[in-house]
Amino acid sequence: EDQVTQSPEALRLQEGESSSLNCSYTVSGLRGLFWYRQDPGKGPEFLFTLYSAGEEKEKERLKATLTKKESFLHITAPKPEDSATYLCAVSLGGTSYGKLTFGQGTILTVHP
Amino acid sequence: NAGVTQTPKFQVLKTGQSMTLQCAQDMNHEYMSWYRQDPGMGLRLIHYSVGAGITDQGEVPNGYNVSRSTTEDFPLRLLSAAPSQTSVYFCASRGDSNNEQFFGPGTRLTVL
Repeated sequence: EDQVTQSPEALRLQEGESSSLNCSYTVSGLRGLFWYRQDPGKGPEFLFTLYSAGEEKEKERLKATLTKKESFLHITAPKPEDSATYLCAVSLGGTSYGKLTFGQGTILTVHP
Repeated sequence: NAGVTQTPKFQVLKTGQSMTLQCAQDMNHEYMSWYRQDPGMGLRLIHYSVGAGITDQGEVPNGYNVSRSTTEDFPLRLLSAAPSQTSVYFCASRGDSNNEQFFGPGTRLTVL
């Protein structure tokens, strides 16, 4: 069964305290791994797509990396405005192309 | 571009009532989908469409109907609402050139 698991469920950081969020997956035929940010009361906002092991992408204080079994979202020197729920999702190939399977998310709180 | 729009933002129904959640996109995307988001369950795919006239079931399709008569619109119908359908519903669309899915702002539905 295809599964996407995110850890930790919640993470509290002090402003400037770097850390990483984890997304592990057990799927066959991975086509892409996605990271989204979701603010309370809003829809998910696209951050990154990763396609192959070893790939890295960066945006401001965020960097996403991918291995054959997991992805990390590294947050460097976070600010309070980085507080949000971060969602990981995978897209499979074949007949499942385009469908996203989501993890449960990590709630990140950054204190000033 | 307005992106993906959803109406209504909030809705309260009684058990057994029917309603339609509206979703529209102005990006000429072929692929559209509906997800529901529940605490501790993450986002789960309800139905999706790869183009006008073509729809298919996702992970949790029971109790929901969809149709796709135009590229722009993808309504979700609840024929006989049940308390188990209390959730936040998100519509998303994706273009053919990449895998980035754009999400709407969501509809918060409560079934009493």
